[in-house]
Amino acid sequence: GDSVTQMEGPVTLSEEAFLTINCTYTATGYPSLFWYVQYPGEGLQLLLKATKADDKGSNKGFEATYRKETTSFHLEKGSVQVSDSAVYFCAFSNILTGGGNKLTFGTGTQLKVEL
Amino acid sequence: NAGVMQNPRHLVRRRGQEARLRCSPMKGHSHVYWYRQLPEEGLKFMVYLQKENIIDESGMPKERFSAEFPKEGPSILRIQQVVRGDSAAYFCASSPYRENTEAFFGQGTRLTVV
Repeated sequence: GDSVTQMEGPVTLSEEAFLTINCTYTATGYPSLFWYVQYPGEGLQLLLKATKADDKGSNKGFEATYRKETTSFHLEKGSVQVSDSAVYFCAFSNILTGGGNKLTFGTGTQLKVEL
Repeated sequence: NAGVMQNPRHLVRRRGQEARLRCSPMKGHSHVYWYRQLPEEGLKFMVYLQKENIIDESGMPKERFSAEFPKEGPSILRIQQVVRGDSAAYFCASSPYRENTEAFFGQGTRLTVV
């Protein structure tokens, strides 16, 4: 069935370090892919998205490229800041399985950025 | 335009009581999704509703859980006879269309069953 696998955390980095959080998915057809961010005690906010193969989503210095050949959507940022500390969720929606914008989520990766 | 509003933010219930969680979608949004986040886990889809209709309830437990989205008023997720395992954060999301659009999330209701 449909699923998302993302790297386990916590990931601890120093400020200005390079960030990669791996995400792979299993889905039929051509899902739309998303990264959401959850700050402590808050709901989820959409960080970026890509709706077709080779699309690159980007926002606030974060990037992810929709790679259909490897079924991956890895999140990257060149220089992290303390304010990026949060939990990051990879997710997709799949028109083929119906249910509109229903999202399938990974388990989340906690990022801690230290000075 | 206010975001998705959920209330209460925190809810404590004793085992066997009922829990009612409310979600007011963003203005103009007629599609509502409920998700549950268990401790140390990701979000799991529960149910998708459009005004007065349940579209997809494939993630809802078969017993004790129900959801509605009436023509007027918020969407309600109802949990009867709560048990400790129901303790979780429950998130609501809304979108204006059925597909190909962003879903906006509320801040969640954190249910604790004691």
